[in-house]
Amino acid sequence: AQKVTQAQTEISVVEKEDVTLDCVYETRDTTYYLFWYKQPPSGELVFLIRRNSFDEQNEISGRYSWNFQKSTSSFNFTITASQVVDSAVYFCALSDPGSGAGSYQLTFGKGTKLSVIP
Amino acid sequence: DVKVTQSSRYLVKRTGEKVFLECVQDMDHENMFWYRQDPGLGLRLIYFSYDVKMKEKGDIPEGYSVSREKKERFSLILESASTNQTSMYLCASSLSPRVDEQYFGPGTRLTVT
Repeated sequence: AQKVTQAQTEISVVEKEDVTLDCVYETRDTTYYLFWYKQPPSGELVFLIRRNSFDEQNEISGRYSWNFQKSTSSFNFTITASQVVDSAVYFCALSDPGSGAGSYQLTFGKGTKLSVIP
Repeated sequence: DVKVTQSSRYLVKRTGEKVFLECVQDMDHENMFWYRQDPGLGLRLIYFSYDVKMKEKGDIPEGYSVSREKKERFSLILESASTNQTSMYLCASSLSPRVDEQYFGPGTRLTVT
């Protein structure tokens, strides 16, 4: 069974601080996909990034960066120089292309609520 | 840009009513999903559909049914609404269910009184 753990339920930082959101996953497959989504107060989940299990290169997009480490089954997300607009709930998710019922599913972590204080 | 729309942002219904939540996507995606989101429980999959008229149960299908008569439209039906179905309902679509990212609608906050 696949599982995604986001141990940090809530984080508060002061604007311009860096912050890292942790994501640890469990899967038996060697081929899988990892995702991060952002859910601002408006409610709509916004896709941020997808990473497949064969690509361990870290990714940077502006102030956002992702660190994928298969050895520790982690896919952490760092926001550099945080801004108030980064305040949201962030979800990590895992797609495990198994077979049978449920193989279409994304497994989501419970989310981390980030509050950036001005 | 992918656009997923949901028929209502807020909905208030009475216990026992039949409730329809509509979702439409404009990107010709094969796959569509219905989730509910509750505090502390995260997102839980209710049903998904991988083709017109095809559906599969997710983690919590009890009390719900779905309909997909057209590729772009996926409806969630609460046959007889109950107070424990008060929740945020999110619809999503994707090109491939396992590989590609899912695109979400704005959500419908349903209150059953």
